[in-house]
Amino acid sequence: KQEVTQIPAALSVPEGENLVLNCSFTDSAIYNLQWFRQDPGKGLTSLLLIQSSQREQTSGRLNASLDKSSGRSTLYIAASQPGDSATYLCAVEGNTGKLIFGQGTTLQVKP
Amino acid sequence: DAGVIQSPRHEVTEMGQEVTLRCKPISGHDYLFWYRQTMMRGLELLIYFNNNVPIDDSGMPEDRFSAKMPNASFSTLKIQPSEPRDSAVYFCASSFADRDQPQHFGDGTRLSIL
Repeated sequence: KQEVTQIPAALSVPEGENLVLNCSFTDSAIYNLQWFRQDPGKGLTSLLLIQSSQREQTSGRLNASLDKSSGRSTLYIAASQPGDSATYLCAVEGNTGKLIFGQGTTLQVKP
Repeated sequence: DAGVIQSPRHEVTEMGQEVTLRCKPISGHDYLFWYRQTMMRGLELLIYFNNNVPIDDSGMPEDRFSAKMPNASFSTLKIQPSEPRDSAVYFCASSFADRDQPQHFGDGTRLSIL
């Protein structure tokens, strides 16, 4: 059974710092890995989707990497801003097409 | 693009009552998903549909839960009878058939069963 773990559960950093969020998964037979952002009282917004054959994806200040063999992904946020404060969720999609989510990392960026 | 629309946004009801949650997916999307989010268990998939047909309902916790998709633009998730442990945020999401495209989520329904 696929299990997804995110570390740390919470993170507080001063504005301007570069930071890394971690995601690990137990079954390497994945179709893709996705990072989402969730703001309080809102649904999830897709940030990056990495196909199993890819190593990384970039969007603006965000870079996500995937090491399928070791069951790990990282989300790198450069030059963090207060507007980046949110919960970040990692999810893996297996061959069934279902997404399995981690518990998320709640990020606070202080001005 | 209106996005995925869920209603109601908040629902408070007493134990034993029937609860119906509604979802309008993004037009043209082929898949519709229902999720439940709690502090203890995180985000869990309950059921999903492909072209209005239920494909996998293995995440539906009990027979008290049922979901329908009568047409491409509407789905319901019903709980009857409701129990306090059903309190959670319920999300609907939709996507294209292309698995390289992400799911789009609604803002959820926050359900409280007293």
